[in-house]
Amino acid sequence: DAKTTQPNSMESNEEEPVHLPCNHSTISGTDYIHWYRQLPSQGPEYVIHGLTSNVNNRMASLAIAEDRKSSTLILHRATLRDAAVYYCILKCSGGGADGLTFGKGTHLIIQP
Amino acid sequence: DADVTQTPRNRITKTGKRIMLECSQTKGHDRMYWYRQDPGLGLRLIYYSFDVKDINKGEISDGYSVSRQAQAKFSLSLESAIPNQTALYFCATSDSSGRAIYGQFFGPGTRLTVL
Repeated sequence: DAKTTQPNSMESNEEEPVHLPCNHSTISGTDYIHWYRQLPSQGPEYVIHGLTSNVNNRMASLAIAEDRKSSTLILHRATLRDAAVYYCILKCSGGGADGLTFGKGTHLIIQP
Repeated sequence: DADVTQTPRNRITKTGKRIMLECSQTKGHDRMYWYRQDPGLGLRLIYYSFDVKDINKGEISDGYSVSRQAQAKFSLSLESAIPNQTALYFCATSDSSGRAIYGQFFGPGTRLTVL
């Protein structure tokens, strides 16, 4: 799976939007972009995924650049419960080894 | 009730002991995974199983073995535990109907300490 680059940490205020960036310049045409988050003392939680088009769900939105070399996870109105480590992961849709490759992610801090 | 459960949640053991971590799921997924997480790092894949008869090594399988007793159960064993296997262990499941499309669902984790 191709590599992703994320900032180590970001800070935001409660009830404000948060934009978490991810660079994946070596992405291939068959790679899906997945986002997971891990709250303190919990297992990772699936947030959202996409291929080319922007995606929305009840948790977040995913904005994918036209060249697919970067993406942004958008939390529209952050709450204290959104404080977590956010992982951007590329997952190939083709054959081969399964499983997710986690980097260090972005530690999101929410200030009240 | 949780969809993916892990037992035990915490375990302290001594070097050389055999340890088994168990994972059960009620999601009806065919694929199951074991990951470990060390402090400040992301998860690393130990083993994964596509179904009861298909088990595959992941990135860091040395020192570990697994057993898929049924579609819903996937156990991880440390035959002879060593201190550098001290970590947080996560089980996960996914649906094979779309390999890269659907997400993985994780259990709450087992904190293992090897003295």
